[in-house]
Amino acid sequence: EAGVAQSPRYKIIEKRQSVAFWCNPISGHATLYWYQQILGQGPKLLIQFQNNGVVDDSQLPKDRFSAERLKGVDSTLKIQPAKLEDSAVYLCASSLRLGVIQETQYFGPGTRLLVL
Amino acid sequence: AQTVTQSQPEMSVQEAETVTLSCTYDTSESDYYLFWYKQPPSRQMILVIRQEAYKQQNATENRFSVNFQKAAKSFSLKISDSQLGDAAMYFCAYLNTGGFKTIFGAGTRLFVKA
Repeated sequence: EAGVAQSPRYKIIEKRQSVAFWCNPISGHATLYWYQQILGQGPKLLIQFQNNGVVDDSQLPKDRFSAERLKGVDSTLKIQPAKLEDSAVYLCASSLRLGVIQETQYFGPGTRLLVL
Repeated sequence: AQTVTQSQPEMSVQEAETVTLSCTYDTSESDYYLFWYKQPPSRQMILVIRQEAYKQQNATENRFSVNFQKAAKSFSLKISDSQLGDAAMYFCAYLNTGGFKTIFGAGTRLFVKA
């Protein structure tokens, strides 16, 4: 079974530029999560999808971050414009169904973003 | 708001020895779930072990076990017979049954000495 795929793996941009990250969850997984992991901290949930609907985006800085999950499969996370404090690893995870606690979240390798 | 605290930024253990990683959390909920995740260097984060708060029995997965103290809001991870492959960041995480947002601690980096 293929795992969660993310691209790119690394990205370096200058502040005020735009950047987009892509995630392909495990086939059949209805729930998709985007986390931000700043160096030295644990992951922080940015947005959570159930199929193509948003379940929780309370911690997403909506003035600069946006995310979509068209057709309930792949997802993209965009930052426009980027700030220095956006430097972090962006993790994508998926699980089979939302709210079923015994179902595990499977994480991708992450995209490491550096904003100069 | 729920919080998760891992007070040990780094720990080290000798190969084949036992190590315990600490985690405390704060919540007003009575029913919730707790997790330990492992994040090896440059590799995916994976679930190590989970505990349901309504279960008094501590969860065990092979060499990994937890000490869940609900009244004290403590959830420690014990790794027995430590192996070199156990070296990683370990994150404690909390999820209440009514919500869908997993809250992670800041992590503990575990070093395993040969």
